[in-house]
Amino acid sequence: AQSVTQLDSHVSVSEGTPVLLRCNYSSSYSPSLFWYVQHPNKGLQLLLKYTSAATLVKGINGFEAEFKKSETSFHLTKPSAHMSDAAEYFCVVSLQPGFDTGFQKLVFGTGTRLLVSP
Amino acid sequence: DAGVTQSPTHLIKTRGQQVTLRCSPKSGHDTVSWYQQALGQGPQFIFQYYEEEERQRGNFPDRFSGHQFPNYSSELNVNALLLGDSALYLCASSRWGLANTGELFFGEGSRLTVL
Repeated sequence: AQSVTQLDSHVSVSEGTPVLLRCNYSSSYSPSLFWYVQHPNKGLQLLLKYTSAATLVKGINGFEAEFKKSETSFHLTKPSAHMSDAAEYFCVVSLQPGFDTGFQKLVFGTGTRLLVSP
Repeated sequence: DAGVTQSPTHLIKTRGQQVTLRCSPKSGHDTVSWYQQALGQGPQFIFQYYEEEERQRGNFPDRFSGHQFPNYSSELNVNALLLGDSALYLCASSRWGLANTGELFFGEGSRLTVL
């Protein structure tokens, strides 16, 4: 079964320092992986997605993630945190190996709350 | 270009009542999925609608039902509400078939409180 594990429930950084949010996945086939962000009282927004193309994926707002099959990891990083990055981040795996059928069920991790201090 | 819109944004119900939540997908999208997000947890898949039919369903009881209209909008209905149904209900839209990019576009959710 496909699943993701977010290794930290909370991460605290200072503004201007690097961000690392960790995610491990379990999948019986080559997975499609995503990172979504949720700001307070807002819906979910896609940061980036991996769909078996380049293993280093660049997303919005300076975030990127690297797919490492040998480590079954998909960690999210950003070189320099900004106050506006404070939010909940979800690592997500798609249960559908391909998208051409249309059906897509996303399985979310439990989330990592990123706190950014001045 | 309007994104995914949901209504109402907040509502309070009592145990045993019924609730209907509404969703309009992003322009150009024909598929709607519903997710339940309990406090402090990640969203859980409820079901997905395409061409006015339920295509897939997550591990939710029959008290949870839905509908999709010809204009692609959708409703989520929950009967016989329980305290445990208190959650943020998220609607997500996408395009079916080859046009599917793998990305779901989410609304801001409807926060349901059951007393």
